[in-house]
Amino acid sequence: DVKVTQSSRYLVKRTGEKVFLECVQDMDHENMFWYRQDPGLGLRLIYFSYDVKMKEKGDIPEGYSVSREKKERFSLILESASTNQTSMYLCASYAIAGGAIRTDTQYFGPGTRLTVL
Amino acid sequence: AQSVTQLGSHVSVSEGALVLLRCNYSSSVPPYLFWYVQYPNQGLQLLLKYTTGATLVKGINGFEAEFKKSETSFHLTKPSAHMSDAAEYFCAVSDRRGAQKLVFGQGTRLTINP
Repeated sequence: DVKVTQSSRYLVKRTGEKVFLECVQDMDHENMFWYRQDPGLGLRLIYFSYDVKMKEKGDIPEGYSVSREKKERFSLILESASTNQTSMYLCASYAIAGGAIRTDTQYFGPGTRLTVL
Repeated sequence: AQSVTQLGSHVSVSEGALVLLRCNYSSSVPPYLFWYVQYPNQGLQLLLKYTTGATLVKGINGFEAEFKKSETSFHLTKPSAHMSDAAEYFCAVSDRRGAQKLVFGQGTRLTINP
């Protein structure tokens, strides 16, 4: 079974702090994603990475950056946390397996609920 | 650009009744379509997906969905609701290229009444 883990379930930070959210997957997936989930808005893509040291902006990258130094780990960084970044953050991973055969399924971690005071 | 609209942010049904959660999508290319479920304090779990082939897709826990291209819809149904179905449900669309960037609907919270 694919396992995607996130470093914290709940996190409370103060405005202006630098915040790191960590995500680790154990299935050698090439692609990893960070979403934020807000009531009434569903999930919105912040950043994704399709290989080590490769990244692309999603739909709402402002105020965030990411790091992928190893294939299994994808970090989301809030350089200077603000109250409007209070949200649930979900990490996901996905593989294109076996050449032309795609798994077509993203696997999600349990989420980190971040509160910025 | 792709988009998803889920009709109804809250749906309430009685135990044993039909569950119908509506999803309409917009996509300029043939889409992949997904339904995910989120139980309280958990991440998202895949219920079912449409990629190619049969338009009626069966998933886990007795759910199914039908891809209707002419209506740009992918509604989720279950003939008989169970208390354990209470959760939030998300419809999502992606194109068929590259890293599968999912675009989600806003979610529908399903409540089951005893």
